[in-house]
Amino acid sequence: DVKVTQSSRYLVKRTGEKVFLECVQDMDHENMFWYRQDPGLGLRLIYFSYDVKMKEKGDIPEGYSVSREKKERFSLILESASTNQTSMYLCATQGSNEKLFFGSGTQLSVL
Amino acid sequence: GDSVTQMEGPVTLSEEAFLTINCTYTATGYPSLFWYVQYPGEGLQLLLKATKADDKGSNKGFEATYRKETTSFHLEKGSVQVSDSAVYFCALSVGFQKLVFGTGTRLLVSP
Repeated sequence: DVKVTQSSRYLVKRTGEKVFLECVQDMDHENMFWYRQDPGLGLRLIYFSYDVKMKEKGDIPEGYSVSREKKERFSLILESASTNQTSMYLCATQGSNEKLFFGSGTQLSVL
Repeated sequence: GDSVTQMEGPVTLSEEAFLTINCTYTATGYPSLFWYVQYPGEGLQLLLKATKADDKGSNKGFEATYRKETTSFHLEKGSVQVSDSAVYFCALSVGFQKLVFGTGTRLLVSP
């Protein structure tokens, strides 16, 4: 089975801090994604990457950046965290049949 | 743009009741359609999919039929169990790399 591991389950940060969310997959998938999940809004795509060092903006990239230095690792960066970035963050990889495999999520609280 | 609309929850049922969760979509092109499920404290996992009109996806007693004429992909199960309590997301994909999700429907099943 595909394993997608997110480094933290819960994270509490202060406004203005730089925040790194890490995601590692073990299936050699090329496509990786970062979503945020908010009540009533469902999942919204922040960024995705289809290869090492390649990235594309999703629907809500403002305030975020990403890094993909190795195929198995895709990092989401909040350059200066704000309270409106309090959310559940989900990482996913994509197999050859369009199927997404999700990590269990990081609940980020920005105070 | 592409979008998915699903019924608001929560849907509250007694064990062994019949379940329907409505999902309609708007898309250019010919999307693949998906249902994902999120159990408490976990990431999303694929429940079923259909890739063309009149296809029926099925898994774990759940079914959904791709209806092009009504642009719908309603999720059904004949007899729900307490263990089916979760949040269900309808989604579409037009080509690789980007799924569009609905807002999610919470299902609560009581004994």
